[in-house]
Amino acid sequence: QVQLKESGPGLVKPSETLSLTCTVSGFSLTSYHVSWVRQPPGKGLEWMGVIWGDGSTAYNSALKSRLSISRDTSKSQVFLKMSSLKTEDTATYYCARDPNWGQGVMVTVSS
Amino acid sequence: DIQMTQSPPSLSASLGDKVTITCQASQNINKYIAWYQQKPGKAPGLLIHYTSTLVSGIPSRFSGSGSGRDYSFSISNVESEDIASYYCLQYDNSPNTFGAGTKLELK
Repeated sequence: QVQLKESGPGLVKPSETLSLTCTVSGFSLTSYHVSWVRQPPGKGLEWMGVIWGDGSTAYNSALKSRLSISRDTSKSQVFLKMSSLKTEDTATYYCARDPNWGQGVMVTVSS
Repeated sequence: DIQMTQSPPSLSASLGDKVTITCQASQNINKYIAWYQQKPGKAPGLLIHYTSTLVSGIPSRFSGSGSGRDYSFSISNVESEDIASYYCLQYDNSPNTFGAGTKLELK
């Protein structure tokens, strides 16, 4: 069945780069898109970006300058990299291929 | 980017009530709106896509409607398991954008 699972560091320092991995199973990354969504504690959902089946990407305008989404189809993995982290980037980060979502990974940005 | 104005921010209902949440887009989104349910500590779950198409397995008490810029999501006969936050998402125009969310509570 379709599954997605996020992994990455739980704590990152301000100004550093966040690297997250979404490992998927049950479908091919060349046939389906995968999105990243984040949610700061106690707040709403924010759409971050998507990598389409053809490998093209689209990003949230507010994050575009700091965000990169890529993939390794041979490993069924999608990567999120976000630079110049701020405390406001503290959030739970989800990868999703509707209707399936990962469980999320909590990332805290703090010195 | 398209802005999604979702209201109300919170809603109090009794079991068996009908509740309605609205989302207004800053421009026509051609019915490309989805609705998600999120319970505390859990990932969101897709309920409805393309305005009114229910995801397989979602109860028929959930429904959606609308066109152009204005859309609504309803739950008829609210049950205790429906207590959650609900979000709209437009996916007509990249980047996709979420509404701010509606927290449904029991009266």
